[in-house]
Formats: sequence, C-alpha cells, structure tokens
Amino acid sequence: GAGVSQSPRYKVAKRGQDVALRCDPISGHVSLFWYQQALGQGPEFLTYFQNEAQLDKSGLPSDRFFAERPEGSVSTLKIQRTQQEDSAVYLCASSLRGWDTQYFGPGTRLTVL
Amino acid sequence: GENVEQHPSTLSVQEGDSAVIKCTYSDSASNYFPWYKQELGKGPQLIIDIRSNVGEKKDQRIAVTLNKTAKHFSLHITETQPEDSAVYFCAPKKPKPFGNEKLTFGTGTRLTIIP
Repeated sequence: GAGVSQSPRYKVAKRGQDVALRCDPISGHVSLFWYQQALGQGPEFLTYFQNEAQLDKSGLPSDRFFAERPEGSVSTLKIQRTQQEDSAVYLCASSLRGWDTQYFGPGTRLTVL
Repeated sequence: GENVEQHPSTLSVQEGDSAVIKCTYSDSASNYFPWYKQELGKGPQLIIDIRSNVGEKKDQRIAVTLNKTAKHFSLHITETQPEDSAVYFCAPKKPKPFGNEKLTFGTGTRLTIIP
C-alpha cells in the first residue's frame, strides 16, 4: 500500500516568501506529525494532529509557522516570510493512533536563499 | 526534557563485521526504546524496538539490548552489508502520563560499511 507522501520534494524560496508544504498520510491514520531536520541533526518535533485537531504545537519555532489538517487527512505546513534559518528538511509522519509506530514520508527539502 | 546521546557519531566497519551503536538517555521513566534507520533522501524508518520489561530483542541480523539501570540501550548489527550504510537514530519514549506522542531523537550515528 501507499506510504506517507510529501510534496514538493524540493523547494527553493527567496527570503521573505511564503511556502506551503503538503503531507498525505497513510489512509486511515488518525495521527499526523511534522518534524524539522536541520543538516546533520536528528529530526525535531514541530506539531501533532489527531484527526483535524492540533493537539500539540509546542515545537513550532515562531508564529511564522502554521499547520493545518482541516478534514483530518491531508496536512499543510505553511511558513510565512521565510528566513535562511528555516532551511531544513521537513518530515511528515503518520500513525494509526498517537502512540503507535510513526511512518515517515521522504521529506521536503526547503532551501531559503 | 529528555537528554539523549548516541555514541559514536560516526562508525566505519568492514563488510561482514559487526557494528554497535549506544544510546544514553536521562529520564528513568522511559519505557520504550526504538531504533530508526535513515537512508539518504528518505525519512527515518523503524527497524527494531524494545520495551522495558525485556532485556534483549533480536530480528535476523539486528538486535537491541537494554540496560535500564545504567539508562542506555544499544543497537547491534552483525554480518554488515553495504545496504546497512545509513544514519541511525534512537528515540527513547516515556509512557503516559509522563510523556506524549512525539518522538525525541538522539544525536544520530552515521554508519558506513566498507566493501
């Protein structure tokens, strides 16, 4: 079956532009997570959804970061007024329920020039 | 929060030899101990996990051992193959109500298998 998919795979933005990153979780998975992975580092938690409810957004680094999952399936991570420090790989993961195994997508590599 | 460290940060082994990666954590409440493998251009993938009521678990060429007293657990890969080359992460987790659903990854170990 299909795994977690993310689009685009690569995104180059000029500083100050807004970007939107999409995640399609595994069908039927209730929980969805976003992580940020800087070069040479481990992934770091950004935010978590259970269905359409955003239960934890403690990892979002600033109010320029916004995530939504309006119908409890596809999720979008939006970054406004991108900065160079936002350059990273953004990973999406889904799980059947919150405490089950998380399955990761391939990530979106964002480069801010 | 949880302090998670891995050693070594890089490891090179000859094909066919064994590799061991150690993960040290700080929170004694942790009770779930997974290892993830991340290949270039891909997301992390769970390869093996262990719970605190078990000391060792094996799955073909990989195994995980746990020392709860010393607060560390290790990944063992035997008969290494070129496809084992990747970055490996541990992500110890606490149960409810002490923890939550998110994963806290270790610092990572880059394993290179030399043909």
